[in-house]
Amino acid sequence: GQNIDQPTEMTATEGAIVQINCTYQTSGFNGLFWYQQHAGEAPTFLSYNVLDGLEEKGRFSSFLSRSKGYSYLLLKELQMKDSASYLCAVLDSNYQLIWGAGTKLIIKP
Amino acid sequence: DGGITQSPKYLFRKEGQNVTLSCEQNLNHDAMYWYRQDPGQGLRLIYYSQIVNDFQKGDIAEGYSVSREKKESFPLTVTSAQKNPTAFYLCASSDGSTDTGELFFGEGSRLTVL
Repeated sequence: GQNIDQPTEMTATEGAIVQINCTYQTSGFNGLFWYQQHAGEAPTFLSYNVLDGLEEKGRFSSFLSRSKGYSYLLLKELQMKDSASYLCAVLDSNYQLIWGAGTKLIIKP
Repeated sequence: DGGITQSPKYLFRKEGQNVTLSCEQNLNHDAMYWYRQDPGQGLRLIYYSQIVNDFQKGDIAEGYSVSREKKESFPLTVTSAQKNPTAFYLCASSDGSTDTGELFFGEGSRLTVL
């Protein structure tokens, strides 16, 4: 079966750095996405990785290792507005998105 | 501004009633999707459509129906056959010409069955 694993919840302090991990087992791989979702709102696109390595975009970076079936989202200089759920999703061999359950990130002052 | 509009945002339904959730997009996207989101679970695909007048079942299509008569519109009907319809429903679209497959989501519709 296909599976995406992420921690259910994480807590971090304003101004700090946090890393949210995602491991996957899917039938094929055509890319990995990270989305941000504030409570009761629509998910919004953060990043897309299809090659190994680190993609940096402002305070957010996303890393991918295809051989390990592993990705992480790195958030720097945390702000209160970063409190949200972070969803990991993998595009499988049929170009269907497989979604993780999401990681709820709580930022404390 | 381009985007996806879902309505209603909140909806209450009695058991045995059908309800239709609206989804309209003005992004000129070919592909549209309906997802269901439940606490502690990943998004689950209900139906998707890649072109007008064509749609395919997703992973949990039972108890749901859709239509795609116009490129801009992809309404979802939750029928009385859906055993556990209380959930947050998300509509999304994508430009099928890009390889990344980035999805653009509507604000969601929260359905509660009383």
